[in-house]
Amino acid sequence: QQQVRQSPQSLTVWEGETAILNCSYENSAFDYFPWYQQFPGEGPALLIAIRSVSDKKEDGGFTIFFNKREKNLSLHIKDSQPGDSATYFCAASSNSGTYQRFGTGTKLQVVP
Amino acid sequence: EAAVTQSPRNKVAVTGGKVTLSCNQTNNHNNMYWYRQDTGHGLRLIHYSYGAGSTEKGDIPDGYKASRPSQENFSLILELATPSQTSVYFCASGDWGYEQYFGPGTRLTVL
Repeated sequence: QQQVRQSPQSLTVWEGETAILNCSYENSAFDYFPWYQQFPGEGPALLIAIRSVSDKKEDGGFTIFFNKREKNLSLHIKDSQPGDSATYFCAASSNSGTYQRFGTGTKLQVVP
Repeated sequence: EAAVTQSPRNKVAVTGGKVTLSCNQTNNHNNMYWYRQDTGHGLRLIHYSYGAGSTEKGDIPDGYKASRPSQENFSLILELATPSQTSVYFCASGDWGYEQYFGPGTRLTVL
């Protein structure tokens, strides 16, 4: 079963807009939530991550909002640029020995 | 210098043939992983390893075997390749509860 769900599957925004990518999970034991960015022809790479003790994490123009009670989180990409066009994966794991579960990804296109 | 490398980067195999995908990491991570990526499915875990000599089944292990002869190397083996195994395969390394570092991927086509 899909333990991590992402929406939307694809998203198109204009340059300068804020893109919002959503993620939800099922397992309450998950306590580490990385977001990976993947460009065509490359492997995924860590973009930003949050632990369940926090409800917000910022890094440059990227912000994660985390709601532990609702078991969901979102990635906000502020002032989106064409170079942000990529596929974004939400993942979840715990440090008690469970491997990371990945969502199916959101393909983001930023139009100039 | 890339910390996770994969070889080959592209492979064409025939149905019923044996395929070995290789991965090397210089991160000194205990854990290594093999994923396949298909449109609509994201990244699905095939096998993983806690360290040299260990292999564990992931979510979709059928038709695949793995081998971890050393801390640095982790191989994925398709004993009898089938067209349904045409995909892009990623190797990764990483410790529990932390980010994973991915290789550049291997595009496998089984004819």
